[in-house]
Amino acid sequence: SFDLTQPPSVSVSPGQTATIACSGNKLGDEYASWYQQKPGQPPVLVIYQDVKRPSGIPERFSGSNSGNTATLTISGTQAMDEADYYCQAWDTNNVVFGGGTKLTVL
Amino acid sequence: QVQLVQSGTEVKKPGSSVKVSCNASGGAFTTYTINWVRQAPGQGLQWMGVIIPVSGTTIYAERFQGSVTLSADESTSTAYMELNRLTSIDTAVYYCASALKGGPFESWGQGTLVTVS
Repeated sequence: SFDLTQPPSVSVSPGQTATIACSGNKLGDEYASWYQQKPGQPPVLVIYQDVKRPSGIPERFSGSNSGNTATLTISGTQAMDEADYYCQAWDTNNVVFGGGTKLTVL
Repeated sequence: QVQLVQSGTEVKKPGSSVKVSCNASGGAFTTYTINWVRQAPGQGLQWMGVIIPVSGTTIYAERFQGSVTLSADESTSTAYMELNRLTSIDTAVYYCASALKGGPFESWGQGTLVTVS
C-alpha cells in the first residue's frame, strides 16, 4: 500500500486561496477524498472522487488529482475554514489517510 | 443520507476488551459498508477495517489483524467494533463511518472515547 504525505500546516489570510497537497505513489490512479475536521468533532467529507463536492459543501472547496499529487483548494478562505484536513484513498483493500494538515486562517 | 449514533465513553483496564456500537438510521443499512477509524489524542486518522453488513464480509487493516473484530446485526441496523488486549496506546476516539463499497466516507458517527487506564 502507499503512504499519503501532507504538509503539517498551511497558513492563509482571509479571502485568499489555500492549497493543501497530498502526495502518494501514483495517487492519480485512485480516487482521492478530502475531509475537514474541527476540534472535538468528527470529520466531514468535503471532496470525493477527486473533484466532486457533497451537497452542502460550499463552492469555494475544489479538488484535483493527477500523477502523484491530489490537491484541495479553498478559494476565498473564511475564518470558519480553519480546521484539520485529511486526504484519503483506497489502495486495493486498504484505506489510507494522509497525516493531516492544520489550516490556519490568519 | 444515513445517520450514525455510537455508544458512549468507555474506561477500561489494560488487558481487557471493549465493544463499541454504531447504530444506523435514515438509510438502508445493507446498502452501505461500515468502516471504523481510530484517532489517538492529538493524532491523525487511522483506518481499522470495514464490514459489509449484507454479507458479513470483513477486511482489516494489517495493523489491527488479530486484535479487532467487526460485526453487524442487520435486524437492529447496528455495527460493532470489538478491540481486545487493550493497552494504553489504544486510548483514542473511535469513529464509525458509512460508505458505499470502495467509496468515500459519507457519514460519520459522533465518536466514542475509549480510555485505557
